[in-house]
Amino acid sequence: SQQGEEDPQALSIQEGENATMNCSYKTSINNLQWYRQNSGRGLVHLILIRSNEREKHSGRLRVTLDTSKKSSSLLITASRAADTASYFCATDALGNQFYFGTGTSLTVIP
Amino acid sequence: NAGVMQNPRHLVRRRGQEARLRCSPMKGHSHVYWYRQLPEEGLKFMVYLQKENIIDESGMPKERFSAEFPKEGPSILRIQQVVRGDSAAYFCASSPWTAGTGNTIYFGEGSWLTVV
Repeated sequence: SQQGEEDPQALSIQEGENATMNCSYKTSINNLQWYRQNSGRGLVHLILIRSNEREKHSGRLRVTLDTSKKSSSLLITASRAADTASYFCATDALGNQFYFGTGTSLTVIP
Repeated sequence: NAGVMQNPRHLVRRRGQEARLRCSPMKGHSHVYWYRQLPEEGLKFMVYLQKENIIDESGMPKERFSAEFPKEGPSILRIQQVVRGDSAAYFCASSPWTAGTGNTIYFGEGSWLTVV
């Protein structure tokens, strides 16, 4: 079974609002990464957070990691229509590969 | 600095034909990963290769699928005798080191296979 599961599956917000997506995983990890995928395109790396980090920022992105709860959240502040995409978390628990969840589909309404 | 290059971007095959998907990793990357994405689903790991070696093929179907990453040239994902259920997007990713060492893997734009 997959390591990561995102929640919610779909999210629709107005431009300017904040969007929060969550990721839960099952086993201990070394790192957790978030990716974005626009429709019909490949995945673009957004941010990596290591297991010994609790929070990380990159521009309008804020990622938190709670290893005790085996969960992570991605916050996109002041959303824009261009943020419309699917967002995936990926974990590398088992060493040789990254496990992806099923993603959160974000729609930002102009 | 070219990213991960995949071709073809779109491929249509009739049932029973063979599909060959190619992936050239980013310059300096010797680790290649293949993932499959079915419509409205996440990415499922298929295989992880280093030059001339298959490191982990735990996600590869036992039959009809094979992958290679020769010393020279791109990595190839080969699907023999394709069936409709093989229709999916196949993504290649590359990294300079193995997963678990805190490095990012970089994805290509994918190859969309349609089996008719």
